[in-house]
Amino acid sequence: QLQLQESGPGLVKPSETLSLTCTVSGGSISSSSYYWGWIRQPPGKGLEWIGSIYYSGSTYYNPSLKSRVTISVDTSKNQFSLKLSSVTAADTAVYYCASNIVVVPAAFDYWGQGTLVTVSS
Amino acid sequence: QSALTQPASVSGSPGQSITISCTGTSSDVGSYNLVSWYQQHPGKAPKLMIYEVSKRPSGVSNRFSGSKSGNTASLTISGLQAEDEADYYCCSYAGSSTPLFGGGTKLTVL
Repeated sequence: QLQLQESGPGLVKPSETLSLTCTVSGGSISSSSYYWGWIRQPPGKGLEWIGSIYYSGSTYYNPSLKSRVTISVDTSKNQFSLKLSSVTAADTAVYYCASNIVVVPAAFDYWGQGTLVTVSS
Repeated sequence: QSALTQPASVSGSPGQSITISCTGTSSDVGSYNLVSWYQQHPGKAPKLMIYEVSKRPSGVSNRFSGSKSGNTASLTISGLQAEDEADYYCCSYAGSSTPLFGGGTKLTVL
């Protein structure tokens, strides 16, 4: 079964760019069966979908974050990445990567453990 | 897009049944049979419990069931157990390859 693991800095300064990578194991990121997504959860709050990418590079973003988000895929490394620019304290959250079944949108079946990113100077 | 609406909290005693509602609009929950439900224990990643309104992934107890009527989806947990105490989130497809989450419901097992 799929395993996903987030990695990246746990502390980012305000106005800078948050960068995270998700490494997929147990399956190929080039599978036609999955989108690969990022979801975040501010401390004590609910889940928010950030965006998703298909192995071909097609991307889909949350309209509220679209101007600041870039998601990319590296099929050679079986990884996909998130960049969120111009961060503020409001972007402090646990960031999860997850797999999203193509034929069943909104069904995220495998999740990483999550990584806490704090925005602070 | 606004988050789907869930009650902040629900509670029940062991052995009882509880239902968590998830209200959206005709643009999301009402338009697609693509509602999923997630269980999240403290400090853990969410776990998919229901997809396509009422289907259970392999390994999920049949005590968990889902349904939908109009713009509102529901998750029912029967035979409540202490281990069911967790936060629950609904999620609906909202078109244009966009999923939309609910605000979450804290389930307390009394």
